[in-house]
Amino acid sequence: DAGVIQSPRHEVTEMGQEVTLRCKPISGHNSLFWYRQTMMRGLELLIYFNNNVPIDDSGMPEDRFSAKMPNASFSTLKIQPSEPRDSAVYFCASSLISGNTIYFGEGSWLTVV
Amino acid sequence: AQTVTQSQPEMSVQEAETVTLSCTYDTSESDYYLFWYKQPPSRQMILVIRQEAYKQQNATENRFSVNFQKAAKSFSLKISDSQLGDAAMYFCAYRSLHTGANSKLTFGKGITLSVRP
Repeated sequence: DAGVIQSPRHEVTEMGQEVTLRCKPISGHNSLFWYRQTMMRGLELLIYFNNNVPIDDSGMPEDRFSAKMPNASFSTLKIQPSEPRDSAVYFCASSLISGNTIYFGEGSWLTVV
Repeated sequence: AQTVTQSQPEMSVQEAETVTLSCTYDTSESDYYLFWYKQPPSRQMILVIRQEAYKQQNATENRFSVNFQKAAKSFSLKISDSQLGDAAMYFCAYRSLHTGANSKLTFGKGITLSVRP
């Protein structure tokens, strides 16, 4: 079975550019999560969706960040404009709403220079 | 709000020996899930083991087992017969049983485990 698929795996971009990270959850899963991992702050939940509806976006750092889930099999996390402090590993994860385990993608490594 | 605490930032174990990683959590809920995830240098988050709070029996997965003490809100991971491939960062995590606003995973800060050959 395919796991959570994220793209791109690695991205290096210049400050001020728009960055779009993509995620395909595990088929049949109806909860989707975006996490960010940095050395300073560890693993932070940015936003999560149940049945494509955002439930909690309190972790989104500021208006430069936005996330969408137009359908059950696709989500995007956009940063515009990007800044060096956005450099991190961004994880997408999915689960069943009624399930217990959250499964993670391999992460998108973002470097903003 | 739930919190997860991993107070040991680093640990080291000799290959083939046993090591225990500690985790405590705080919650007012009675039903929840607890997890240990492994993150090797590749940064992939790999589920190691999970425990349902309503189960009294401690979970085991091959060389990995937990000591779940619900009253003490403690959830430690024991790795037996440590192998070089066990070297990684390990995260303890909590998830509410209830759906909705609390169904996210809350992580501890992680512990870096090194394995000496």
